[in-house]
Amino acid sequence: DQQVKQNSPSLSVQEGRISILNCDYTNSMFDYFLWYKKYPAEGPTFLISISSIKDKNEDGRFTVFLNKSAKHLSLHIVPSQPGDSAVYFCAASGLGNQGGKLIFGQGTELSVKP
Amino acid sequence: ETGVTQSPTHLIKTRGQQVTLRCSSQSGHNTVSWYQQALGQGPQFIFQYYREEENGRGNFPPRFSGLQFPNYSSELNVNALELDDSALYLCASNHAGTDYGYTFGSGTRLTVV
Repeated sequence: DQQVKQNSPSLSVQEGRISILNCDYTNSMFDYFLWYKKYPAEGPTFLISISSIKDKNEDGRFTVFLNKSAKHLSLHIVPSQPGDSAVYFCAASGLGNQGGKLIFGQGTELSVKP
Repeated sequence: ETGVTQSPTHLIKTRGQQVTLRCSSQSGHNTVSWYQQALGQGPQFIFQYYREEENGRGNFPPRFSGLQFPNYSSELNVNALELDDSALYLCASNHAGTDYGYTFGSGTRLTVV
């Protein structure tokens, strides 16, 4: 039962253009969503988050949009840079007594070409 | 620098053996979580410890157990290793009450043969 899904295993974008990574979830009890970036041989690095009471959160080149009615969130990176090439994970939390459990999607590998 | 260190970085064990993985959390972080990441998948939550007590557990059998110590270090123990336990094991720490931006270590790559 995959509660958080990232349906695109990979995405290729030209440098300077926008990268849009998508994530869908099934459980309406989730109240907090996060994006992590992972380089090979490193642990995931926290990128940006959004609470379910908001529909947008922006931090520099990164913006996360949340559409609760569609149970969908997306991460926009503008402009994309070659250093953004990594695997991006969407994660969700907030299931009551689950003690801080994060539920991750399968990841999307972003490749930004110069 | 992530502030969370894990050891060892790689480990090979035989089926049926026991293994202990170690994590040193970022100073001041009183919450530590462990995750298992299989190849091509996202991390899966194993359990979380807060002030040395387990306060959340994912869908993993009891042969996965843990400890958290007062000095911000923690352990993940796995008994009776199975081939499917081969994965990257990630430790993540946070200070309870702050945002959910857990700091992850680089992980331990466990191979069971």
